[in-house]
Amino acid sequence: QGLLEQSGPEVKEPGASLKVSCEASGYSFTNYGIAWVRQAPGQGHEWIGWISPLTGRKTFAQSLQGRVIMSTDTSTNTAELQLRDVDSGDTAIYYCARGHMVSPFDLWGQGTLITVSS
Amino acid sequence: DIRLTQSPSTLSASLGDRVTITCRASQSIATALAWYQQKPGKAPRLLITSVSNLESGVPSRFSGSGSGREFTITISNLQPDDFATYFCQQYNTYLLSFGGGTKLEIK
Repeated sequence: QGLLEQSGPEVKEPGASLKVSCEASGYSFTNYGIAWVRQAPGQGHEWIGWISPLTGRKTFAQSLQGRVIMSTDTSTNTAELQLRDVDSGDTAIYYCARGHMVSPFDLWGQGTLITVSS
Repeated sequence: DIRLTQSPSTLSASLGDRVTITCRASQSIATALAWYQQKPGKAPRLLITSVSNLESGVPSRFSGSGSGREFTITISNLQPDDFATYFCQQYNTYLLSFGGGTKLEIK
């Protein structure tokens, strides 16, 4: 049970930062972590990172570390992903998903298409 | 990082067929493997955890097996709703990773 509702699609210019939000409902937000996953056009899924709303602990994919900022707000049950200095390789559908640090994900947001284009 | 290689990348089958998709890990992941189903424009759906445990509501025609580095998902008696993309995920370490996906098409 539960729902993850993500923000809408955006177009970003190269060098800009992208931001995707994910609002959780229908379950206790602090009982689960939130992972971020992306899927570029025609590609497989790529894990970006994970954050615990309870402790603030974070893990990151090494390939994106340094550009990724993840946060949560327990007053609004919302998680947010920011990715800095984007380029065309960051064009993808970005998903938030519910799970623990080392676990599968049993609940996913609907996805947010981010297009990086000048 | 652990790489997951799925095969085949595309699979054509008919209603009622039995199909198997393979996921191979670059190193042992014990039984920390999940399978998902995804349809175009939709979020992934978790089907199987820990290699062979079906999630609630997943039909029994789905099954998973394997251990260590090689894993399979088998779908028996294919139904129209089964034609989708399937992908695996390892969660043996906190550096999670996914397979590239297998698109199951109607022949």
